[in-house]
Order: sequence, then C-alpha cells, then structure tokens
Amino acid sequence: NAGVTQTPKFQVLKTGQSMTLQCAQDMNHNSMYWYRQDPGMGLRLIYYSASEGTTDKGEVPNGYNVSRLNKREFSLRLESAAPSQTSVYFCASSAGRTGTALYEQYFGPGTRLTVT
Amino acid sequence: LAKTTQPISMDSYEGQEVNITCSHNNIATNDYITWYQQFPSQGPRFIIQGYKTKVTNEVASLFIPADRKSSTLSLPRVSLSDTAVYYCLVGDYTDKLIFGTGTRLQVFP
Repeated sequence: NAGVTQTPKFQVLKTGQSMTLQCAQDMNHNSMYWYRQDPGMGLRLIYYSASEGTTDKGEVPNGYNVSRLNKREFSLRLESAAPSQTSVYFCASSAGRTGTALYEQYFGPGTRLTVT
Repeated sequence: LAKTTQPISMDSYEGQEVNITCSHNNIATNDYITWYQQFPSQGPRFIIQGYKTKVTNEVASLFIPADRKSSTLSLPRVSLSDTAVYYCLVGDYTDKLIFGTGTRLQVFP
C-alpha cells in the first residue's frame, strides 16, 4: 500500500515551459487535492476534486489546470511556467466526510519545482 | 471561513508536556477542529480531530472548551522527533480548510 505517490520529486523549468505533475493514490479515496507551499508558509489549495469527473478551484488556481483522470489519478498542469510558481507542490487524498467527522487527508512526498 | 490564530513558535525540552493553543473565534456550528503535523521536506500528517470536549489518541490530546472558540493540542512528554510545524485547521469540508503558517515547535535535549 503505497498511499499517495507523486512524480517527479524535483523539476527545474525555464520560464514559459510547460509540465504536468502526476499524483496517484491507492486508498480508493473519492477526494483529491493539490496544494502549493512556499518557503516558510502554510499550504494553499490550488484545485481539488471531490469525486471522479469533478474538479473545482481552490484558493490559488491561476496559472494551473487539473485533470482527474480516474479515481486513482489527479494531475496538475502548468501551461506556461513563471518564477512565481517556484514552490513545493503536495498532492493529497481523503475519503471526504461523514455526518460526524472529516476524514483525514493523506499527503504525498511533494514535488520541488524551480522556475528560472 | 473560520480564521485561526496560533503562536508562531514555541520551544520545549525533551520530556515536557507541550500545549499549543489555537484561537478560532468565528467557528461555525458544523466546523470540526483538526490538527496536522509537518516535518521538514514532508507533507503534513494528521494528528487529531475533535468537535467538542476532549479527544485523546495515542499521540496527542485535544481540549475544546464549551464555547469552541479555542482549542489546545497537548503533546505529552515530547521528544526531539516532535520538532515540527503544527497546524490548526477549522472547517466543515476539507476543501474549506486553511493551513495558516502554523506553530513551529522546537524541542531541545
């Protein structure tokens, strides 16, 4: 049981280049999330997917697109990278919520992206 | 969205009990209180969640007063490995949870 996996672990891009960050989970979770974390800061939600086939914007969606390919996979795409997108990107998944609690989020190891 | 306020940093020594208090004055009726721990270069990890009163698990306790306007995460007998950033989050859906800057706990030998 690998949990949440992310690829790549590190990436350096030049301004204007594009790339896709991959995320997969093997816990049969309905919900998946993409966050970014800038140095010394908390995590900020970029996009999330409450279930297969649905995606919604989070707090900082500009400059990103996402695809919920299937229940397991949720990718994040940077179409034209900018230095302001230099950050650590975390993918997470959760079972969602019940009437009495929020299910916990499980986080991947992160992707460290530098845009020069 | 319920805003939370927690200390920026705290220091402790091994073997001591650490209490981190989080203020959330505008918490809503349906909101849960959740704490996560993050080590350097890793994603956050769930510690504990509560709605009211006291919750205890194998790693921590969460104390929530009756008015729910604050909560206290209690870590018993901390060790060096508890050095991390601790986030207090309040909300009723995961996509509404906001990770602030957290509390940076440093444990000294």
